[in-house]
Amino acid sequence: AQSVTQLDSHVSVSEGTPVLLRCNYSSSYSPSLFWYVQHPNKGLQLLLKYTSAATLVKGINGFEAEFKKSETSFHLTKPSAHMSDAAEYFCVVSVIQETSGSRLTFGEGTQLTVNP
Amino acid sequence: DGGITQSPKYLFRKEGQNVTLSCEQNLNHDAMYWYRQDPGQGLRLIYYSQIVNDFQKGDIAEGYSVSREKKESFPLTVTSAQKNPTAFYLCASSIPWAGSSYNEQFFGPGTRLTVL
Repeated sequence: AQSVTQLDSHVSVSEGTPVLLRCNYSSSYSPSLFWYVQHPNKGLQLLLKYTSAATLVKGINGFEAEFKKSETSFHLTKPSAHMSDAAEYFCVVSVIQETSGSRLTFGEGTQLTVNP
Repeated sequence: DGGITQSPKYLFRKEGQNVTLSCEQNLNHDAMYWYRQDPGQGLRLIYYSQIVNDFQKGDIAEGYSVSREKKESFPLTVTSAQKNPTAFYLCASSIPWAGSSYNEQFFGPGTRLTVL
């Protein structure tokens, strides 16, 4: 079984300062990991994904994440926050099920607030 | 433009009524999914379908039903048996898992269902 823990339900930063959203995962198999972003009353948009090709993954809008197997972490970072980054962020793990294909397990989300 | 559409955007239901949420995709994806989102709980899987005319229950299927008669369509019916249906519902699609867990899911804009 797999699980995802997002360590902060809310993160507040000032515009122009770094962003760090923390995620730890648990998986019996080699996982794929994703970060999605959701703006209010919208669907989810993929920011980036880890597929074992490289441990440092670059995504859209200046976000990146580093896969650390020893720490079972996949933290999301951005050097400088913009007001438009204010949204909810979900860390997601995907593992193949024996008879039913791949399944996504979502973290509970981190609400990012960016202050002017 | 390729994508996933959900309708309606907002839906109001009286207690005891069944309602059907629409999900259509023109991405030529075989796999489709329905999720329910409640505040602070992330996304939970209701039903999914890997191929036309086949679907499986997710983690919270009670009180819901689906059909998959066409590749591009995966409607969700919320029945009167669902005790607490007020939530935000998201539909997603992906290419078949084909032995890989790397395939991200693409999400529609969501339907907000409110029971009066």
